[in-house]
Amino acid sequence: GENVEQHPSTLSVQEGDSAVIKCTYSDSASNYFPWYKQELGKRPQLIIDIRSNVGEKKDQRIAVTLNKTAKHFSLHITETQPEDSAVYFCAASKGGSYIPTFGRGTSLIVHP
Amino acid sequence: DARVTQTPRHKVTEMGQEVTMRCQPILGHNTVFWYRQTMMQGLELLAYFRNRAPLDDSGMPKDRFSAEMPDATLATLKIQPSEPRDSAVYFCASGLDGLYGYTFGSGTRLTVV
Repeated sequence: GENVEQHPSTLSVQEGDSAVIKCTYSDSASNYFPWYKQELGKRPQLIIDIRSNVGEKKDQRIAVTLNKTAKHFSLHITETQPEDSAVYFCAASKGGSYIPTFGRGTSLIVHP
Repeated sequence: DARVTQTPRHKVTEMGQEVTMRCQPILGHNTVFWYRQTMMQGLELLAYFRNRAPLDDSGMPKDRFSAEMPDATLATLKIQPSEPRDSAVYFCASGLDGLYGYTFGSGTRLTVV
């Protein structure tokens, strides 16, 4: 089955810095890669996703890149703000009847 | 915004009691899953349904947990008997074949004393 590794487990940055979270996956057939943000005490929420036919996607201060050859994808947050503090989960999926696999999460702390 | 509705939001119960958690997926979504979240284990997959058929429940302790989808508007997760180690937040989520992301419910925070 699919295996998703997420690093780092904790990331501490100063407000205004950039943050990068990386995930690697094992199944080359995976074709959909969403990222979720979970604030303390709340539900995970989808913030951005990328499909295997695209190498990069941006949405304001967040971007995701995908390297299919190396089987890794990354979340980039620029100009971090304290409200970006949360746990971020990556996932890999093939859609259909295949079960999505989540990474173990990265706790991002943005210091004012 | 369409929402996944989970009930109850909080549940405190005594060890040995039966616990039933309910989830109403978003209308039109055909995939539903249950996850358990703890500080130590992160998000653990318990059960996964597609078109109401259970596809995977290998992460679920079969002797005490059961998951069902009696119809397209209701998914249930039952624990009988409950144990203190079952204390966690249980999330239900739904999606459309998993290719457009998943919408999570607010979760049920279960405490077994």
